[in-house]
Amino acid sequence: TQLLEQSPQFLSIQEGENLTVYCNSSSVFSSLQWYRQEPGEGPVLLVTVVTGGEVKKLKRLTFQFGDARKDSSLHITAAQPGDTGLYLCAGGNDYKLSFGAGTTVTVRA
Amino acid sequence: SQTIHQWPATLVQPVGSPLSLECTVEGTSNPNLYWYRQAAGRGLQLLFYSVGIGQISSEVPQNLSASRPQDRQFILSSKKLLLSDSGFYLCAWSDGTGAYEQFFGPGTRLTVL
Repeated sequence: TQLLEQSPQFLSIQEGENLTVYCNSSSVFSSLQWYRQEPGEGPVLLVTVVTGGEVKKLKRLTFQFGDARKDSSLHITAAQPGDTGLYLCAGGNDYKLSFGAGTTVTVRA
Repeated sequence: SQTIHQWPATLVQPVGSPLSLECTVEGTSNPNLYWYRQAAGRGLQLLFYSVGIGQISSEVPQNLSASRPQDRQFILSSKKLLLSDSGFYLCAWSDGTGAYEQFFGPGTRLTVL
């Protein structure tokens, strides 16, 4: 079993602050995805990174894949209440994804 | 564009009753299909996946089974539900390319009483 550990488990910040969520593993992945999920809904894909050291930016979100393709981070700049949700990382190998336990992010207005 | 459907959205079943959850995908051919279970506010546990009609791989020994009778249809079943089968069940598809991106349905909330 390929284990992905996310930290922190919970994160509560004020609107306008920055936050970083981490995803670490002892396994190497062919790709890594970040998803965001709202209560009672399916996860929605935010980004896929496939190259070690890759950095992708989507508006206020910055995603980084570690050089060894074992870890990743998600950084949100100037968080907004709409960023509230469960953030999940997932590593891909052999047609399957292994998911982390998730980070629950709450952005207070 | 591709869409994925799951039904029912919610289900309350007594212990020992059968189960059938259905997932269908539109707008793509020969997708890889997946069933996950999610505990409240936590990560996803892969239950089954399928890379083609009639091909099912089980990840976790359990009270559940899966079938793929058609290319874009994936069914999760049980003959006798247990209390521990309660949870949020998610179906997902991918196009089988190396990036392993998966796209999820809206989920089914199952409560076993």
